[in-house]
Amino acid sequence: AQSVTQPDIHITVSEGASLELRCNYSYGATPYLFWYVQSPGQGLQLLLKYFSGDTLVQGIKGFEAEFKRSQSSFNLRKPSVHWSDAAEYFCAVGVSYGGSQGNLIFGKGTKLSVKP
Amino acid sequence: DADVTQTPRNRITKTGKRIMLECSQTKGHDRMYWYRQDPGLGLRLIYYSFDVKDINKGEISDGYSVSRQAQAKFSLSLESAIPNQTALYFCATSERQGSYGYTFGSGTRLTVV
Repeated sequence: AQSVTQPDIHITVSEGASLELRCNYSYGATPYLFWYVQSPGQGLQLLLKYFSGDTLVQGIKGFEAEFKRSQSSFNLRKPSVHWSDAAEYFCAVGVSYGGSQGNLIFGKGTKLSVKP
Repeated sequence: DADVTQTPRNRITKTGKRIMLECSQTKGHDRMYWYRQDPGLGLRLIYYSFDVKDINKGEISDGYSVSRQAQAKFSLSLESAIPNQTALYFCATSERQGSYGYTFGSGTRLTVV
């Protein structure tokens, strides 16, 4: 069955430090992978997505993610965290049905706190 | 106006009551979804609709029903609300093919007492 695992429930980093949020997926076919961010009291905003091609994808707000097929991973990174990055981050995989786009399956999320 | 509008934004209801959460969109997307978010559990799919005549159960459909009144409107009903349905509910839309470009509403926070 398709699934997404985010091993870290809560991460705290200092402002200006680098960040890596982990995501592992289980999916039989070529995955479509996504990272979303949810600020407190807000809906979900797409940070970046991977469909094919270059395994390093750039997103908004200075985030990037790297797809590693051999590790079934799609980790999110940012070189220098800002206080405004404090939020909850969700990794998701897009599943397909008979070649047709289906729905998204989300991980349980990683909450990021940023220390001054 | 927001592309995906959910009403109400917040609702407190009593156990056993019927409640409807509404979602409307101006994106022109064919596909609409209802997700539920609980702390530590992420987002779980309740129902999804690929067009007006195509409605499908998601991972956690028990206790819920939906109605796709038009391409732009997708409602979620709790026939008899129970406390463990207290959660944040999100509606989302996407195009038919290709991009998985989801647009999320701002959410409805439902509390069942």
